[in-house]
Amino acid sequence: EDKVVQSPLSLVVHEGDTVTLNCSYEVTNFRSLLWYKQEKKAPTFLFMLTSSGIEKKSGRLSSILDKKELFSILNITATQTGDSAIYLCAGGNTDKLIFGTGTRLQVFP
Amino acid sequence: EAQVTQNPRYLITVTGKKLTVTCSQNMNHEYMSWYRQDPGLGLRQIYYSMNVEVTDKGDVPEGYKVSRKEKRNFPLILESPSPNQTSLYFCASSSHRDYGYTFGSGTRLTVV
Repeated sequence: EDKVVQSPLSLVVHEGDTVTLNCSYEVTNFRSLLWYKQEKKAPTFLFMLTSSGIEKKSGRLSSILDKKELFSILNITATQTGDSAIYLCAGGNTDKLIFGTGTRLQVFP
Repeated sequence: EAQVTQNPRYLITVTGKKLTVTCSQNMNHEYMSWYRQDPGLGLRQIYYSMNVEVTDKGDVPEGYKVSRKEKRNFPLILESPSPNQTSLYFCASSSHRDYGYTFGSGTRLTVV
């Protein structure tokens, strides 16, 4: 059965800290790994990764995929209170995206 | 503005009373999908559609119907809602089935 597992479930940090969110996947006919940020309501797209070892970066956020170990990480450096959200990871195959349950990040001033 | 529009945002209804949640996208996307989100279970796919008149079941299709008569619209129909369908529902669209989705704002449904 396809599954995506995220860890930790929840993380509480102070502003300025660096965090690493983990995502492992078992997805048949795997094609891509996606990261989303969910604040109050709808998830918003962050990254899509299809190749191992190539880091994607957007400001203080970066992500990388390891297709051999079936693993991805999302790094956030110099965290801010606005980074507080649930971060969702999803594995995509030819039919659908399979989502993990998310990591809840809380950043306190 | 490129977006996915869901209506209503909130709905409280009684068991057995048929309802429809509408979803419309203005990006000419082929691929559309419905998800429900429940605490501890994450986002689970209900139905998806790869193009007009092409729909298929996701992981949790029981109790739901969909239709795709036009490219932009993908309504979710609950013929006889039950309390276990109380959830937060998201519609999403994408230009390809494994690309990043654009999500609607969500519909919080309560069935009493």
